[in-house]
Amino acid sequence: AQSVTQLDSQVPVFEEAPVELRCNYSSSVSVYLFWYVQYPNQGLQLLLKYLSGSTLVKGINGFEAEFNKSQTSFHLRKPSVHISDTAEYFCAVTEGGSTLGRLYFGRGTQLTVWP
Amino acid sequence: NAGVMQNPRHLVRRRGQEARLRCSPMKGHSHVYWYRQLPEEGLKFMVYLQKENIIDESGMPKERFSAEFPKEGPSILRIQQVVRGDSAAYFCASSPPSQANTEAFFGQGTRLTVV
Repeated sequence: AQSVTQLDSQVPVFEEAPVELRCNYSSSVSVYLFWYVQYPNQGLQLLLKYLSGSTLVKGINGFEAEFNKSQTSFHLRKPSVHISDTAEYFCAVTEGGSTLGRLYFGRGTQLTVWP
Repeated sequence: NAGVMQNPRHLVRRRGQEARLRCSPMKGHSHVYWYRQLPEEGLKFMVYLQKENIIDESGMPKERFSAEFPKEGPSILRIQQVVRGDSAAYFCASSPPSQANTEAFFGQGTRLTVV
């Protein structure tokens, strides 16, 4: 079974500052990687996904992530955050060959953007 | 195209009662997944169902929990004789029959409170 580690439970930043949310997963032959965002009392919305191809993946709302196989990492970045980015962010992984709905999640990172 | 619909959004049960959570997948989706989110934690996989079949129930507690996805109607997650520790947000996700490069879509969740 996979395990996913999100190294920071809380990340406070000021508006327009850059941000990086870190994610590491346990090694496997092949994996698919995802970042989801959850606003208060809402469900999960997909930000971006890595299935194959370019290791730099661009998602919605200006977010991007880079898949690093040697470091088993999939860190999420945004060059300039807005107050509306305040939310909980979850990294998730599924093993290659599995259904994409069978996900292993990290514990989440609460991003708080201050004015 | 409506998204994944879960109801009720909030459910309060007394200890010992039964809780029934419903999930209607997106139109054309025949795969359903249930996840549980405990306070301050990420989502934990519970069960994966296709129409009339349980494919993977490795995350389901051995007692009191059951799930079904009948040929007609929504998927149901049933918790018998609820206890305080069952208080959590329960999320349903669905995906289409073809799994190639298609992520699962999440509902807004049912927040169960056991009093």
